[in-house]
Parts: sequence; structure tokens; C-alpha cells
Amino acid sequence: DSGVTQTPKHLITATGQRVTLRCSPRSGDLSVYWYQQSLDQGLQFLIQYYNGEERAKGNILERFSAQQFPDLHSELNLSSLELGDSALYFCASSVDSSYGYTFGSGTRLTVV
Amino acid sequence: EDQVTQSPEALRLQEGESSSLNCSYTVSGLRGLFWYRQDPGKGPEFLFTLYSAGEEKEKERLKATLTKKESFLHITAPKPEDSATYLCAVQAVNYGQNFVFGPGTRLSVLP
Repeated sequence: DSGVTQTPKHLITATGQRVTLRCSPRSGDLSVYWYQQSLDQGLQFLIQYYNGEERAKGNILERFSAQQFPDLHSELNLSSLELGDSALYFCASSVDSSYGYTFGSGTRLTVV
Repeated sequence: EDQVTQSPEALRLQEGESSSLNCSYTVSGLRGLFWYRQDPGKGPEFLFTLYSAGEEKEKERLKATLTKKESFLHITAPKPEDSATYLCAVQAVNYGQNFVFGPGTRLSVLP
């Protein structure tokens, strides 16, 4: 157990739907990062939050949004889902990225 | 444009057969190069951080080295449990706290 908890582990939904992925960071970590991993794209950075504030954005689609709550857990919202959104979505946390991230075990999203 | 590439894409070794994985990068202002291990269906697990050319880090059968343009992950006398995908990631001064990940090398160690 890495200390980063992601739920749900698996999610199957239809095109056009909306889903919410949840992440609880490791205790003491203020930064939360969301990454998407698909077979053809590798790990792609989506967005970072630090202590409730958005800190950086990567290749995140406008249909996707995220937030970090006062208790530091984070949610990634994916809407108007398309088949191409099927991927593994990872959350990671860190206290200082110089020491690398701690990743959760991911949520596997399948859009049918 | 910043790039991180890894080679080979896949590598099959016999148990005990040592080899090296390569990570090549072109970034401006490297802050650090990171190696991760990823098992199927799991999140990447942090292995090493290297900050400057000439630096080396070791952990069990793994040794990571860094030059100005690439990093190598040397695997000495691998065991089947070393089978995984190995990812390298770079952090640059204009990335903030974020990384650009390479595509990974899928390592299989056969008994």
C-alpha cells in the first residue's frame, strides 16, 4: 500500500456520461497530481493541486476538471465521455517532488 | 521541444543475464531525472533521482547513471521478480513540480 488511495478501481460507463474519480493523498502530502495513462500515449500529466489551489495544468481537456478539498482529497471529473477517454487514471502525491511522487494504484476507466 | 525517449521498447532476459536500459532526453534546464518501476495494473513506484552528470545511485540489482544527454539503468544478474516496465521521467526548471515521462521499457526476466 503506497498510502495514496484511489477509488473506484474500475469504472465502466457509456459515451456521453460523466464520472468522478477520487484520490486521497498520502498523509502529510499537500500536492496532488493527476495523470492519464493510455497504451499509445504513455503517462500524460493532467493537472496539479497544492493545498487546495490549482498549481499547474498539462494536457487536460476542457471536458475534464478537478478540485482539491480542504481535507486534501481530490476529485477528477470527466464529462461527455468519449471512447478515447478509456485509460488508466493515476493520482500521485508528494511533499516535495524532488523525492519523486507516490502514485496510487489507479482507476481503470472503460468507456463503451 | 522537450523529449524523453527510452530504448529498447521491450527486453527479454534470462535470469542472471545483465543488461542496461536507456533513457535519452532533450530538455532545457534539467532539474532531475527520475526512474520508476511499474508493475501491470499498478501505479509507478519511485526508484531513483539523479541530479547531475556523473551521478550514480544503486538499489539491490539496479544502478542508475546520468550523463548530460541520457541515463542508463543497469540491471545486474536480474531475477524474474525484476520483470516490470521501467519508466524514466525528467523534471525541468520550467515544469514546476511536474514531470515528462518516457514511454517505458518493458522488461521480462525468464527463469
